[in-house]
Amino acid sequence: DSGVTQTPKHLITATGQRVTLRCSPRSGDLSVYWYQQSLDQGLQFLIQYYNGEERAKGNILERFSAQQFPDLHSELNLSSLELGDSALYFCASSLKGGGATPGELFFGEGSRLTVL
Amino acid sequence: GQNIDQPTEMTATEGAIVQINCTYQTSGFNGLFWYQQHAGEAPTFLSYNVLDGLEEKGRFSSFLSRSKGYSYLLLKELQMKDSASYLCAVHSGNTGKLIFGQGTTLQVKP
Repeated sequence: DSGVTQTPKHLITATGQRVTLRCSPRSGDLSVYWYQQSLDQGLQFLIQYYNGEERAKGNILERFSAQQFPDLHSELNLSSLELGDSALYFCASSLKGGGATPGELFFGEGSRLTVL
Repeated sequence: GQNIDQPTEMTATEGAIVQINCTYQTSGFNGLFWYQQHAGEAPTFLSYNVLDGLEEKGRFSSFLSRSKGYSYLLLKELQMKDSASYLCAVHSGNTGKLIFGQGTTLQVKP
């Protein structure tokens, strides 16, 4: 158990819909990262938050948005869903937010999104 | 830009040794991670290299050559439970994010 909690574990929805994925980082971790993993694909970095502020952005679609709340949990919002958005969405957390010495990322179990 | 390459699939025999290679091209380099991921599960940390050389941890070792942009993960005394994907990830820049390669799916056969 990494200490990172993601909900829901599974989600099935239809094209055009909107969903929200939630992540609670490990106690004390200030950084939250979101990654997308499509079938047989590597982990694609979406976005990072550090202590409530956006820190880094990857190839995140404009239909997707995220935020980190004062209690440090984070939500990833996916809207106007398309079939290609079906994937595992992982949240990870770390104590540090950057600098030359990276911290190990601790991953949650993921949220499996299926768009029909 | 950033580019991380690793073989897509490898097969090895139980009890044997296997080496999984990773080459990278990144703007800036602050360290290289290896993660293990069983199908449908969360990636878990295996090793971290920031200086050239070999880091050994039980049956797993990881090597880094920064001048060559090259790393490998060495798995000894393979067990069936080692069948998984192995992800090479690079940290560069001044944020904490890791950029992952596509992963190498290792199948261990009896």
